[in-house]
Amino acid sequence: DGGITQSPKYLFRKEGQNVTLSCEQNLNHDAMYWYRQDPGQGLRLIYYSQIVNDFQKGDIAEGYSVSREKKESFPLTVTSAQKNPTAFYLCASSTPANTRELFFGEGSRLTVL
Amino acid sequence: GQQVMQIPQYQHVQEGEDFTTYCNSSTTLSNIQWYKQRPGGHPVFLIQLVKSGEVKKQKRLTFQFGEAKKNSSLHITATQTTDVGTYFCSATNAGKSTFGDGTTLTVKP
Repeated sequence: DGGITQSPKYLFRKEGQNVTLSCEQNLNHDAMYWYRQDPGQGLRLIYYSQIVNDFQKGDIAEGYSVSREKKESFPLTVTSAQKNPTAFYLCASSTPANTRELFFGEGSRLTVL
Repeated sequence: GQQVMQIPQYQHVQEGEDFTTYCNSSTTLSNIQWYKQRPGGHPVFLIQLVKSGEVKKQKRLTFQFGEAKKNSSLHITATQTTDVGTYFCSATNAGKSTFGDGTTLTVKP
């Protein structure tokens, strides 16, 4: 079964701690994305990567970091510098032929205590 | 960057009534995508529109792209309880997709 796997599904973190969210895809997609979703709001782009070893900041990159060492993997680190990290994080991927259709993972819900 | 505005933010309907959500931009868009996110779920791609005045149908769902390519709409005929969720539009430019805030639909049986 092809798809995008995000883990963990739920995560609790204390203030001041970094946390890394995993995103793995076996769709052979080149492009991968991280979005943040807050209640009642749309999706805001954090980072995106169109090829391995390359990534670009999205609209709200401050306090986050990513890496893209493998085509299948695009982990997101929420650092202690992110002022309001409690949110629902969604990873997505798309094919080079159609970067307009995004395939989403099931999301990771991060709560900072 | 480009921005898309969606209205209304919430819509409550009786089962069987119609529903429409609108997506508007101040700039000309090259494309529009629509997604549906069920409560507690993740967004799922529904359709893409790229041509001026384009109309596409999926069963009870009708999608339109405005003649000026600055607005789009999603219309659901005779809503069912399975239609509940949040409907998002997005516009893609240079590999980046920008999403509207969504319209959350609730359906009373």
